Amino acid sequence: AQSVTQPDIHITVSEGASLELRCNYSYGATPYLFWYVQSPGQGLQLLLKYFSGDTLVQGIKGFEAEFKRSQSSFNLRKPSVHWSDAAEYFCAVGANTNAGKSTFGDGTTLTVKP
Amino acid sequence: DGGITQSPKYLFRKEGQNVTLSCEQNLNHDAMYWYRQDPGQGLRLIYYSQIVNDFQKGDIAEGYSVSREKKESFPLTVTSAQKNPTAFYLCASSSGGTANYGYTFGSGTRLTVV
Repeated sequence: AQSVTQPDIHITVSEGASLELRCNYSYGATPYLFWYVQSPGQGLQLLLKYFSGDTLVQGIKGFEAEFKRSQSSFNLRKPSVHWSDAAEYFCAVGANTNAGKSTFGDGTTLTVKP
Repeated sequence: DGGITQSPKYLFRKEGQNVTLSCEQNLNHDAMYWYRQDPGQGLRLIYYSQIVNDFQKGDIAEGYSVSREKKESFPLTVTSAQKNPTAFYLCASSSGGTANYGYTFGSGTRLTVV
């Protein structure tokens, strides 16, 4: 069965500082990997996705993520955080053989200090 | 603009009552999904449908029912058999009949038992 672990429940960074959110996945074959962002009381928005090819993927809002097969990781990064980035971030894994279902991590809440 | 509409935004249910959450999409997506979100937890899959008139149980289907009579609509009924229905419910859709293109989410329905 596929699974996702987000080791950090809550992260606080200062505005303008760099950000890295960790994600580790478990899946036997090549996974489909996603990062989503959720503002309070809202649905989730897709930030970026990885299927194959270049292991560094660019997303919306200046985010990027790097797929590292050897570490089973798909960490999300941003060089300079803005106050509007404060939200909850979810990593998810999907697979071709799983009838189109994605499995989500428990999320990381990002607080941005002025 | 295309998107997913969930209604109502807030819903209150009395003990022993069935309630139905609406989900409509105008994205022409084949696949639709219902997830439940509890505080501090990730998303858990309730039901999903890859084509009209067909749907499958997810990880926590007990106490819930769905229908998929039209491509655009995927309503979720929370029955009296669901012992702890208070949660945030999210509907999502994906093109190609699979989640591997990433999800588009609605803005959610918050259900409270009173």
